[in-house]
Formats: sequence, structure tokens, C-alpha cells
Amino acid sequence: SQQGEEDPQALSIQEGENATMNCSYKTSINNLQWYRQNSGRGLVHLILIRSNEREKHSGRLRVTLDTSKKSSSLLITASRAADTASYFCATDPLSNFGNEKLTFGTGTSLTIIP
Amino acid sequence: EAQVTQNPRYLITVTGKKLTVTCSQNMNHEYMSWYRQDPGLGLRQIYYSMNVEVTDKGDVPEGYKVSRKEKRNFPLILESPSPNQTSLYFCASSSWGTSQETQYFGPGTRLLVL
Repeated sequence: SQQGEEDPQALSIQEGENATMNCSYKTSINNLQWYRQNSGRGLVHLILIRSNEREKHSGRLRVTLDTSKKSSSLLITASRAADTASYFCATDPLSNFGNEKLTFGTGTSLTIIP
Repeated sequence: EAQVTQNPRYLITVTGKKLTVTCSQNMNHEYMSWYRQDPGLGLRQIYYSMNVEVTDKGDVPEGYKVSRKEKRNFPLILESPSPNQTSLYFCASSSWGTSQETQYFGPGTRLLVL
């Protein structure tokens, strides 16, 4: 079963608005990462947040992590048409010792309407 | 330019005809992995490799083989492809496991098994 589940599955907003997507996971983690995927292309790493961090910024991106609720959110501010893509969270479970792998969610499809 | 390359990008084959998808990275990364992406299921890990001659199963290894004879290459082998292996495949690499920073993804290989 998937460790991470993104919410919503799909999101459409006007250009310039902020977009928020959420990720929930089931087991304790070492870190959580967000990736972007343009249609049919490879994933691009956006940001990594470690379990002892609560918030992280990168340009127009802001990621929060609440380990007590086992959830994370990705906020994209002042959205642009180029932000249209699918966004995935990926978790590195704490139980991963000796079995290094990321577990991906099913993604949020974001559409920015010009 | 730091990158992960995959070949071929598109492949149509028939059931039972052995095929190999190549993956190569030029970043001297120890860790490499293969994922498949299917609608509604997100990315699922097939195999991963922590270093040369060290490989291990991911979540969906059935029907696949891998090898890691050189650090830069990590081919995915389908000995007898079946239609349920029709999917979009991604290779990824990182400098150390998944607890460290960025996973670099290849552009993807779209496989159709008839």
C-alpha cells in the first residue's frame, strides 16, 4: 500500500493564486520529499524536509511537516502557468534502515488557468 | 551536465520477447533504482542498488531483473514481458540512499507489451 497519499487528487486555480496540496503518511519517517512531474516526463526534486524540521522554504515553495499528524503540505505562492504539473510526496520511512527506498504517493494534478 | 539517461524512450514489444532498458548516470552516484508508474498507483519501486554488485528488491520486483556491474549503469531486464508490464518506467539515482538529498530521475521509458 502507498505510504503517502496526496490530497486533493486534482486542483485547478487561476494564475497568481496560491496552491496548497497535502500529503498524509502512515509510519514514522526520516524525511519527506516533494517532486514535480510535467506530463509524461521524469520527476524533478523540489524540496526535502527532515523529520526534525517543521517548515522549509525554497523560492515560491513552502513545505510544512507535522509529524504528530503524519502530514505535510506544499504551498506554491503566486502560481504561474508553468507550475501546471503533477506533484508527489515521497517518504523515507524510519524503518528503512538497511532497505533504502522512497515510497511515493499517487500525486496531485495541478492546473494553473491563465 | 549532470543527468540520468534511459534508452529506449519508447518501446513496443510482444509478449515473451526479452528486452532490456538501459539506465546510465554521470554523477558517480552509489544509489540507483527503478520505478514503474501506473495511473492511480503512483510510482512503485521495482529494484534498487546501493552500489556495484549490490541489488535488492523493491515493492514490485516480479517479472524483472537488474544488474549493477558498473557504478554508472543499472539496466532493467524483462526476461519474458507480459501485458501487465505495460507502464512508464523511471530510473533514478542519488549520492547516498534516500536519506540524503536529491533523487535524480531519468526522462522515462514508455513500454507497451502486446
